[in-house]
Amino acid sequence: DAGVTQSPTHLIKTRGQQVTLRCSPKSGHDTVSWYQQALGQGPQFIFQYYEEEERQRGNFPDRFSGHQFPNYSSELNVNALLLGDSALYLCASSLMNQPQHFGDGTRLSIL
Amino acid sequence: GNSVTQMEGPVTLSEEAFLTINCTYTATGYPSLFWYVQYPGEGLQLLLKATKADDKGSNKGFEATYRKETTSFHLEKGSVQVSDSAVYFCALITWRGGATNKLIFGTGTLLAVQP
Repeated sequence: DAGVTQSPTHLIKTRGQQVTLRCSPKSGHDTVSWYQQALGQGPQFIFQYYEEEERQRGNFPDRFSGHQFPNYSSELNVNALLLGDSALYLCASSLMNQPQHFGDGTRLSIL
Repeated sequence: GNSVTQMEGPVTLSEEAFLTINCTYTATGYPSLFWYVQYPGEGLQLLLKATKADDKGSNKGFEATYRKETTSFHLEKGSVQVSDSAVYFCALITWRGGATNKLIFGTGTLLAVQP
């Protein structure tokens, strides 16, 4: 039973570029949440998708957007990248009222 | 708002020592509480959880008790191993009408166990 998978594992971009990160949830899970983890910090909630809609959003600008597909997989898009966007981006999946399971993340570096 | 505060690291222990990592929380309603562990270069793994007051979560020798009166969820282990070296995150979640909600994390505590 595959867990949460994320791609790519590492990514290097320059300021102003756009990036798309991908996540496949654990089998049977229908809710996907995205978190940003800066170096030495705890993960910060970006947004959550359920039934292909954004259900909750954290304190992140509109440059951060996402999508959930009918197979429950999800994408995180970030436009106009800034140096401060450098972080580990974590995807978590879950079922209603159940603990979230995390992938290994995508390490995004902005030059 | 809801928040989690955990002791700053690093915590450096010798193998077989007793471990305590303190965690306190502020939350409205009745949160569920979690400990996640992050090994170098990896994502977060759920270590243990407790969903109501006085519940004790346990896994792999780690324990934590949900203390509503002191709003705490301290992580303990009787005898640590080198393989326990990792960053430990305390987290809470509050439920909205049964829907899955966002996790709120502490800043993490680095544990380094020396042989």
